[in-house]
Amino acid sequence: AQSVTQPDIHITVSEGASLELRCNYSYGATPYLFWYVQSPGQGLQLLLKYFSGDTLVQGIKGFEAEFKRSQSSFNLRKPSVHWSDAAEYFCAVGKDYKLSFGAGTTVTVRA
Amino acid sequence: GAVVSQHPSWVICKSGTSVKIECRSLDFQATTMFWYRQFPKQSLMLMATSNEGSKATYEQGVEKDKFLINHASLTLSTLTVTSAHPEDSSFYICSARPSGRGYEQYFGPGTRLTVT
Repeated sequence: AQSVTQPDIHITVSEGASLELRCNYSYGATPYLFWYVQSPGQGLQLLLKYFSGDTLVQGIKGFEAEFKRSQSSFNLRKPSVHWSDAAEYFCAVGKDYKLSFGAGTTVTVRA
Repeated sequence: GAVVSQHPSWVICKSGTSVKIECRSLDFQATTMFWYRQFPKQSLMLMATSNEGSKATYEQGVEKDKFLINHASLTLSTLTVTSAHPEDSSFYICSARPSGRGYEQYFGPGTRLTVT
């Protein structure tokens, strides 16, 4: 069965600094990979997804992610964090049109 | 566009009673809706997949008689927690997939259920 691991429960980053969130997946075939952001009172919002092709994927809000098959990873990055990026971030893997989510990483942004 | 609403946003009920949560796709038709459960500081766990006009498909370990799902129209799915107990207290999230759109899902804001 597919699974997703997000090793970092909580990350604190200074505003303007870079951010990287780790995601490792376990899946036999070519995975469909996603990053979502959850802000209080709002539904999960898709940041980006990877199905195939270019392994560096650009998403919304200035985020990007890189698929590395050799490392079974799909890490999310942002060059310069804004205070509004404080939220919960979830990595997910898709199979049969269903999503399996990682445990999430809480991002705190300090001024 | 692509907005999904949930009602209520929070509900408190007494142990032994039933509570219904609605999930609506406001500006698109969704043949498939998903129901998730999220514990504090934990991941979303898929409970069931509901397809319009047919019975829901429940994930392993989810009690179908406790969590009744109805997907009566292309814009509405309901989750009824029957005979609720304190251990059913959780954050319930739905998502809706536009017809024929693969992995594209839009999530509702969630419903906080507290059973006393």
